[in-house]
Amino acid sequence: EVQLVESGGGLVQPGRSLRLSCVASGFTFQHYAMHWVRQAPGKGLEWVSSITWSSGSTSYAGSVQGRFIISRDNAKNSLYLQMSSLRAEDTALYYCAKDKVGGFGFAFDVWGPGTMVTVSS
Amino acid sequence: QSALTQPASVSGSPGQSITISCTGTSRDVGGYNYVSWYQQYPGKAPQLLIYDVTKRPSGVSSRFSGSKSGNTASLTISGLQAEDQADYYCSSYCNSCPSSSSLLFGGGTKLTVL
Repeated sequence: EVQLVESGGGLVQPGRSLRLSCVASGFTFQHYAMHWVRQAPGKGLEWVSSITWSSGSTSYAGSVQGRFIISRDNAKNSLYLQMSSLRAEDTALYYCAKDKVGGFGFAFDVWGPGTMVTVSS
Repeated sequence: QSALTQPASVSGSPGQSITISCTGTSRDVGGYNYVSWYQQYPGKAPQLLIYDVTKRPSGVSSRFSGSKSGNTASLTISGLQAEDQADYYCSSYCNSCPSSSSLLFGGGTKLTVL
């Protein structure tokens, strides 16, 4: 079964850091670009960051540029999002998503259930 | 305010067809064929319905179809069924966006099946 499972979310104070992980199974992880998408409570989807199959290219939303770092470990079938200088507006459910291709096709055909990040003092 | 504009809500009766629009600019929807559509049920992760404007992933019903004209993409659902009641989001690649984002989502459209 093709599956993505996120972890690492939780309650964190403003200005602190958090690292999200996403473990993939059921497909050849190293062949596909991967992405992070978030959804604030009761709001719509917001693209956060993307990484190509080889980690050769990464891309970030302007709202997280300079604060978040996306990375992957193909040997561990894992995707990561290192989040620093967290703000209240980063509070959201963070989804890990698989692209249909190795580069940035931006068509997300597999999604995880999400991990909740709450930034509050 | 989302970068791609969708109607907040649409409705239709079972068996009818409805269309959801997604309006952007020449930097995104109008300039590239990287438009996707997603369906999201409450409390669930989104599911891909349409990609590259018109392509349907295997397993997605042929009742869902996509198109584009100029800066506006559209999702059409024919033969509306009760199970289609959900939120729908469009997305598009964006080049040189003011927000510095490479991918934009619409604000979402809530579909009600009457």
